[in-house]
Amino acid sequence: DIQMTQSPSTLSASVGDRVIITCRASQSINSWLAWYQQKPGKAPNLLIYKASSLETGVPSRFSGSGSGTEFTLTISSLQPDDFATYYCQQYNSYSPGFTFGPGTKVDIK
Amino acid sequence: QLQLQESGPGLVKPSETLSLTCTVSGGSISSSGYYWGWIRQPPGKDLEWIGSVFYSGTTYYNPSLKSRVTIFADTSKNQFSLRLTSVTAADTAVYYCVRRPVGGGFDPWGQGTLVTVSS
Repeated sequence: DIQMTQSPSTLSASVGDRVIITCRASQSINSWLAWYQQKPGKAPNLLIYKASSLETGVPSRFSGSGSGTEFTLTISSLQPDDFATYYCQQYNSYSPGFTFGPGTKVDIK
Repeated sequence: QLQLQESGPGLVKPSETLSLTCTVSGGSISSSGYYWGWIRQPPGKDLEWIGSVFYSGTTYYNPSLKSRVTIFADTSKNQFSLRLTSVTAADTAVYYCVRRPVGGGFDPWGQGTLVTVSS
């Protein structure tokens, strides 16, 4: 099984800050990685797919990069609506064995 | 706009079978190139993929749950369903139904339904 890790587990930041979250896979997943935002009591919301493709309707301050085993989610200028938990998730286009990372909580500094 | 809505009992007794249905509106579950599946999240814990049914009818399950899980689609009702047998307290979670295109991420998600396993 492919294991996913994220760092940090918690991140304290201020509005306007540049935020970077890292996700690592236990083996290469090429670019088959998605990022989600989840707020308390709500379903996760897809932000990025295929490592760097921005989902329709997602603000451009969100961006993703990476391939192989190391990936990053960047929020260029943190907004009040961005305080939430972020999850990465690996997938294989031809075999749906999906695994989520443990999440990174972004809270107010 | 595609919408997914979970339905089913919120309380299940230990050793019994958990059954949930996802009703899809605004699109057809027979549309080519999509997986329809279930993900769960125990309170305060991580997300866990349970399994998916491809538009063709092929099913895929999380190996850790495979012996207890069945996912099937009813195209006449535009619904797909989850059955999880022999449940224990560890199966208590919010259950989400989701769609995923080939090569993409899970989107959209249903609002989620809390299922508690307790006597």
